[in-house]
Amino acid sequence: EAGVAQSPRYKIIEKRQSVAFWCNPISGHATLYWYQQILGQGPKLLIQFQNNGVVDDSQLPKDRFSAERLKGVDSTLKIQPAKLEDSAVYLCASSLASGGALETQYFGPGTRLLVL
Amino acid sequence: AQRVTQPEKLLSVFKGAPVELKCNYSYSGSPELFWYVQYSRQRLQLLLRHISRESIKGFTADLNKGETSFHLKKPFAQEEDSAMYYCALLTNAGKSTFGDGTTLTVKP
Repeated sequence: EAGVAQSPRYKIIEKRQSVAFWCNPISGHATLYWYQQILGQGPKLLIQFQNNGVVDDSQLPKDRFSAERLKGVDSTLKIQPAKLEDSAVYLCASSLASGGALETQYFGPGTRLLVL
Repeated sequence: AQRVTQPEKLLSVFKGAPVELKCNYSYSGSPELFWYVQYSRQRLQLLLRHISRESIKGFTADLNKGETSFHLKKPFAQEEDSAMYYCALLTNAGKSTFGDGTTLTVKP
């Protein structure tokens, strides 16, 4: 089966600019996750969707980050305006149902963002 | 709030030697624990989960609730085990928290 797709793979912007990342999960997967991975750290969950509803966005910096999954399939994560500390790899993952312990999260290749 | 700690950033062993990657956690509820692996130029992927009590690629991990640990072990390391390993915790509410990872290098 096709894996989780993400685009773009790399992005370089200047601070205060805006940027958007796109994720297409595995077909039929209800749960979609966005993670931020800063160099030298583990992935940090930003937002979790189940279908088109938000399950958890407690660590999403809502003053500058937004995400949507309007039709319950693909998703977009936006940063506006970007700061230097947003430089990171943004990972998208999906799982089949509700994201429980017996489910597997499948990760995309990530988008590497550099903010200058 | 939950937390996952992997005390070793880097771990180097020789081929055929035993390897143990440490993971400690703090969480007030009953956690589910996982190990993820990222091989060079590949995606992050699940290696094993506590609830399944499985052995994958010779790796095992035992949840020790008394010591709040979930260390990953393999009796005989192989060169192809060289990778970045992340320990992760899933809360009762379904939220995932990852440690900062350990880079394992298996030398020939």
